[in-house]
Amino acid sequence: GAGVSQSPRYKVAKRGQDVALRCDPISGHVSLFWYQQALGQGPEFLTYFQNEAQLDKSGLPSDRFFAERPEGSVSTLKIQRTQQEDSAVYLCASSPVPYSGQPQHFGDGTRLSIL
Amino acid sequence: AQSVTQLGSHVSVSEGALVLLRCNYSSSVPPYLFWYVQYPNQGLQLLLKYTTGATLVKGINGFEAEFKKSETSFHLTKPSAHMSDAAEYFCAVSEESGGSYIPTFGRGTSLIVHP
Repeated sequence: GAGVSQSPRYKVAKRGQDVALRCDPISGHVSLFWYQQALGQGPEFLTYFQNEAQLDKSGLPSDRFFAERPEGSVSTLKIQRTQQEDSAVYLCASSPVPYSGQPQHFGDGTRLSIL
Repeated sequence: AQSVTQLGSHVSVSEGALVLLRCNYSSSVPPYLFWYVQYPNQGLQLLLKYTTGATLVKGINGFEAEFKKSETSFHLTKPSAHMSDAAEYFCAVSEESGGSYIPTFGRGTSLIVHP
């Protein structure tokens, strides 16, 4: 597709379950970001990949959060033993070159609800 | 360290009236500045960006913003609001820190347009 694609669009899980969120960036984009957007807030940085290398994971809130991008294209954000505070929209963004302040292309997000 | 403050979580205007959304930033080095728009259940779309050069930046849909270093501001304006402008607007700042340019987003301003 032409844009960043995220799936699923909506995910409901029970507290304690594991979830996996997928991001397909624009083809050929080198940089990939994950953000967490709580209700009524702006996006908060989680992690950044340059190709398959995870260069920054300083925003991951706990060791329950794990992200990977093994072949430098599709990325998966995994949350283990989900908690209610994990409920948020998770946004993926990509840009064509190693990130140095360029605008990002965002997907429509995955809305995660933890019951 | 960089930070962004968006004054006013909600701004209400009449159709045809001036739109002014305020953004102040804190940055220790010359920053890159962005405005994004988010429609319900969608990701963020770039409206405009400031990197270097001309301080008055024109974006899509008739929006523009002016970088004022002395005031550390990057307010977004549009001369005449349209109903379709109703959305959430986010200001973001990106500065270089140790080779990284991870952006910081404001909390957002919801623009309400009355007929």
